[in-house]
Amino acid sequence: AQSVAQPEDQVNVAEGNPLTVKCTYSVSGNPYLFWYVQYPNRGLQFLLKYITGDNLVKGSYGFEAEFNKSQTSFHLKKPSALVSDSALYFCAVSRYSGGYQKVTFGIGTKLQVIP
Amino acid sequence: DAGVTQSPTHLIKTRGQHVTLRCSPISGHKSVSWYQQVLGQGPQFIFQYYEKEERGRGNFPDRFSARQFPNYSSELNVNALLLGDSALYLCASSGATTGSYEQYFGPGTRLTVT
Repeated sequence: AQSVAQPEDQVNVAEGNPLTVKCTYSVSGNPYLFWYVQYPNRGLQFLLKYITGDNLVKGSYGFEAEFNKSQTSFHLKKPSALVSDSALYFCAVSRYSGGYQKVTFGIGTKLQVIP
Repeated sequence: DAGVTQSPTHLIKTRGQHVTLRCSPISGHKSVSWYQQVLGQGPQFIFQYYEKEERGRGNFPDRFSARQFPNYSSELNVNALLLGDSALYLCASSGATTGSYEQYFGPGTRLTVT
């Protein structure tokens, strides 16, 4: 079984401040980890992924994520938040199982950037 | 290049009716997955198709079915609709099914069952 936990329903941050959106996961074997963003009434957009290698992954729009195997975490970060970053963020874990890509999403964290 | 497209955008159906949702993947993508997103939750996996074959199925009843066509577009069918089927249905395409590929999502179809 695999699972993703996003412990915060909402994260509030002032514009210009650093932001962190937390994610922990559970999966057997090596994890493939993803972050997606969803704007109102839209589908999900891919931000970044960790497959292997460097624990710090850089993605779109200045976002980055840090993979920590010992803590089974994959927190999303950005050095300086923008109002336009306000959206719903989903962490996901993926593995190849039974001939297909099994993807499990967290429940999402709403990011509110305050001007 | 066009992204993933889905139709219709919105749909209102009555309990017991049947619905068909459609998806066209990104050109060159052979894998299509369907997800159900209920308000306040993350997407829940329904099906994955690759090269016109069902590769995986989530924990959904047999009322849900899907197929993929030779041009890799896909349909999701839901029979005997229940109020609980009201959700945003998302289609996603990817280049393969190996697990390390990111998925590209369409805008979704908002289904309301009354």
